[in-house]
Amino acid sequence: LAKTTQPISMDSYEGQEVNITCSHNNIATNDYITWYQQFPSQGPRFIIQGYKTKVTNEVASLFIPADRKSSTLSLPRVSLSDTAVYYCLVVTGTASKLTFGTGTRLQVTL
Amino acid sequence: NAGVTQTPKFQVLKTGQSMTLQCAQDMNHEYMSWYRQDPGMGLRLIHYSVGAGITDQGEVPNGYNVSRSTTEDFPLRLLSAAPSQTSVYFCASSYRLAGETQYFGPGTRLLVL
Repeated sequence: LAKTTQPISMDSYEGQEVNITCSHNNIATNDYITWYQQFPSQGPRFIIQGYKTKVTNEVASLFIPADRKSSTLSLPRVSLSDTAVYYCLVVTGTASKLTFGTGTRLQVTL
Repeated sequence: NAGVTQTPKFQVLKTGQSMTLQCAQDMNHEYMSWYRQDPGMGLRLIHYSVGAGITDQGEVPNGYNVSRSTTEDFPLRLLSAAPSQTSVYFCASSYRLAGETQYFGPGTRLLVL
């Protein structure tokens, strides 16, 4: 399983764009990148998933460079309700297990 | 659909007691799993199941048992509770594989005295 490294914490003001970078140097050809969001006292929630280039949905964008050794989760115009822990996972399609790291704790303030 | 449900929401046990944490899903998902999350930490996989009758160990299986007699239910049993098992327990499910979108339950907060 590819190991991921992401910042422990980030702070932002409401209305700003937040970019959380995750490094995964030993990602394999069949692996893809998945991000989960976890609010306090709740289970994680799937945000976005991608293999290469850019993926966008109603919540976030995911940028993956050509070498795929890193990825960036972009949250446009964050609000207080985006305060959460964000987990970056490298997933193999046929894997039977997921490995969560400690994630990035995002704190959004006024 | 109710999604993934877990009971109880909160439980206090004494050291040595046993109990079962319940997890059910109504999405006809084949893959189900149990995680524990200690304060300030990420989730660690305890056990998982790829279908009824099939279970396997995750990263931290010691002290826990599981069974999967139906597609819907995946109970987690603590055999003899220890203070080190104080944690929040999350159940998750996905259609077939771990790599697919995981749907998590609301969690069970367990305190072992």
